[in-house]
Amino acid sequence: SSELTQPPSVSVSPGQTARITCSGDGFPDQYAYWYQQKPGQAPVLVIYKHSERPSGIPERFSGSSSGTTVTLTISGVQAEDEADYYCQSSDHGGTYAFFGGGTKLTVL
Amino acid sequence: EVQLVQPGAEVRKPGESLKISCKASGYTFINYWIGWVRQMPGKGLEWMGIIYPADSDATYSPSFQGQVTISADKSISTAYLQWSSLKAADTALYYCVRGGFGELFRFDYWGQGTLVSVSS
Repeated sequence: SSELTQPPSVSVSPGQTARITCSGDGFPDQYAYWYQQKPGQAPVLVIYKHSERPSGIPERFSGSSSGTTVTLTISGVQAEDEADYYCQSSDHGGTYAFFGGGTKLTVL
Repeated sequence: EVQLVQPGAEVRKPGESLKISCKASGYTFINYWIGWVRQMPGKGLEWMGIIYPADSDATYSPSFQGQVTISADKSISTAYLQWSSLKAADTALYYCVRGGFGELFRFDYWGQGTLVSVSS
């Protein structure tokens, strides 16, 4: 299946922990990737291969996998983390990629 | 420094053709896959397809197969996305993305996007 399901929105107060889930029947066999997109900007890769963090991404961003659900966790959320977050994966044959619908993170 | 440079905007009428570019620099162009992602106004990201510049091997999302053509010119480190007959529904922001080394679908660098407007 090429469908990834994310909650449309998540809200947290500054300093709290935000968790954004992404469900897909390709997990955990297919890798999950997470992108952050702020208004008017191109997306930025924040997590790859379920839980790896690219250089330059703050340690408060982490990823995990459990069964057919992957989770992006942002610990100690800051106002600058307010953005849309997209998960992404690929089909079992590794032929094409697809994105989840996106989650808007609001920092209260 | 890796850069993917795209034109800012293109305006066309329905039925016209268009080819937008993505100029890569700061890395060995032929060693990495390069692809395209669509974002319609106020909507999410949609993966369109990707190409390996070394041999022009391309793969497309089923949703975009036959609707667009992805190509690359390794002599000038540039990838392209083209339409033969645009529709109003093609109005969107189009990003080029670089796939990771040996990891096809890790999009580690993004262009700033080309806004394509199709209107009569």
